[in-house]
Amino acid sequence: QSVLTQPPSVSAAPGQKVTISCSGSTSNIGNNYVSWYQQLPGTAPKLLIYDNNKRPSGIPDRFSGSKSGASATLGITGLQTGDEADYYCGTWDSSLIAVVFGGGTKLTVL
Amino acid sequence: QLHLVQSGAEVKNPGASVKVSCKASGYSFTDYYMHWVRQVPGQGLEWMGRINPNSRGTNYAQKFQGRVTMTRDTSINTAYMELSRLTSDDTAVYFCARERGSYSNGWSYYFDFWGQGTLVTVSS
Repeated sequence: QSVLTQPPSVSAAPGQKVTISCSGSTSNIGNNYVSWYQQLPGTAPKLLIYDNNKRPSGIPDRFSGSKSGASATLGITGLQTGDEADYYCGTWDSSLIAVVFGGGTKLTVL
Repeated sequence: QLHLVQSGAEVKNPGASVKVSCKASGYSFTDYYMHWVRQVPGQGLEWMGRINPNSRGTNYAQKFQGRVTMTRDTSINTAYMELSRLTSDDTAVYFCARERGSYSNGWSYYFDFWGQGTLVTVSS
């Protein structure tokens, strides 16, 4: 049981937009910054978004992040087949004194 | 160019220990905390803890307290994670990841570079 809650799966057609939610509490998302990671099959996670809505160099602006209260959202526009992956949210939990992750969301591009 | 290169796959018997290494290059090793995250096959990411390569200070997830030890060797820019009293539940891919952390109206912890992962299989 993950501390942060994500939908197990989402799907959309190529070219469309999808959002992935990440729900937490005041001890984690509500008072700390959220990051998002993309994990392609058989590879290490890759940083997509940090500090709620910032993109590292090299990450296209098709990927966006937002936060409201104790929930965060990852948005992906102009979906491509190469976006098929597992996506994880993460943050610091001030009560657990630990980094916590969501359970992951599998994106299927139909 | 920044790299984190981990040691190869391991097969261990139940009750044994495993030590995974993570060699850093392309940046100042002692300037960034190193974290360890594991992933049981088919499941999500699980944080295990972190080490400050400069001070050797460590923080471990409560779940692994007493069983995990994180160390480093600054002469070869390498971090280590040792997990003892292995069971089949510890079969997983273990990742090292470089932390970018700060505080400004909340904690910001994220991982900008990851090792390739090390599969540890616990089986008799």
